[in-house]
Amino acid sequence: DSGVTQTPKHLITATGQRVTLRCSPRSGDLSVYWYQQSLDQGLQFLIQYYNGEERAKGNILERFSAQQFPDLHSELNLSSLELGDSALYFCASSVDIPSYNEQFFGPGTRLTVL
Amino acid sequence: DQQVKQNSPSLSVQEGRISILNCDYTNSMFDYFLWYKKYPAEGPTFLISISSIKDKNEDGRFTVFLNKSAKHLSLHIVPSQPGDSAVYFCAAPQTGGTSYGKLTFGQGTILTVHP
Repeated sequence: DSGVTQTPKHLITATGQRVTLRCSPRSGDLSVYWYQQSLDQGLQFLIQYYNGEERAKGNILERFSAQQFPDLHSELNLSSLELGDSALYFCASSVDIPSYNEQFFGPGTRLTVL
Repeated sequence: DQQVKQNSPSLSVQEGRISILNCDYTNSMFDYFLWYKKYPAEGPTFLISISSIKDKNEDGRFTVFLNKSAKHLSLHIVPSQPGDSAVYFCAAPQTGGTSYGKLTFGQGTILTVHP
C-alpha cells in the first residue's frame, strides 16, 4: 500500500459526459501528479500540483482540468469524453518538487467511455 | 519523441536465473533514473533508483547499472522468482524547466518468471 488513494476504482460512462477522479496523496506529501496510461501510449504525464498550485503541464487535453485543494487532495476533471479517453488514470505524490524523491502511485482509476 | 525507451516488450526467464531488463535514454540532461514495477490492477511501485554520479546501485536481488556514455541502464534481478513477474518501467525525472519533477517513462517490459 503506497498510501495514495484514488476513487473511484472503476468508472464507466458515455461519450460526451463529464467525470471527476479523486486522489488523496500520502500524508505529508505536497506534490501531486496525474498520469494517463492507455494501451498504446504507456504512462504519460498529464499535470502536476504542488501545495495547491499548478507546477507543470504535460500532454493534457484542454477538455481536462485539475486542481489541488487546501487539504492537498486533488481532482482531475475530464469533460466531453471521447472513446479515446478510456484509460487508466494514476495519481502519484511525493514529498516536494525536487526530482530526486520517488513518486508513490495510487492504484489508479480505470475509465471506460462507451 | 520517446526520450526513454525500453525496446524489449517482454522477457521470459526461468526461476533462479538472472533477469536483465534494458532501458535507453536520449536526453543527456537526465541525471537520475528510477525503476518501477507494476502488477495488473495496481499502480506502479518504486523499486530502485540510481544517480548519474554512480554506475551501480544494489538493493538485495536488484541491481541497476548505468552507462552514461552509452545512455543506457539495465536492471538485473538475481535470482529471479515467480513473484517478480510484472511489468517493469524505467523512468527519468525532469530536473529543470517548467516540468520539474515530471517522470518520463519507458514503454515497459513484461517480465515472466517460470517456475
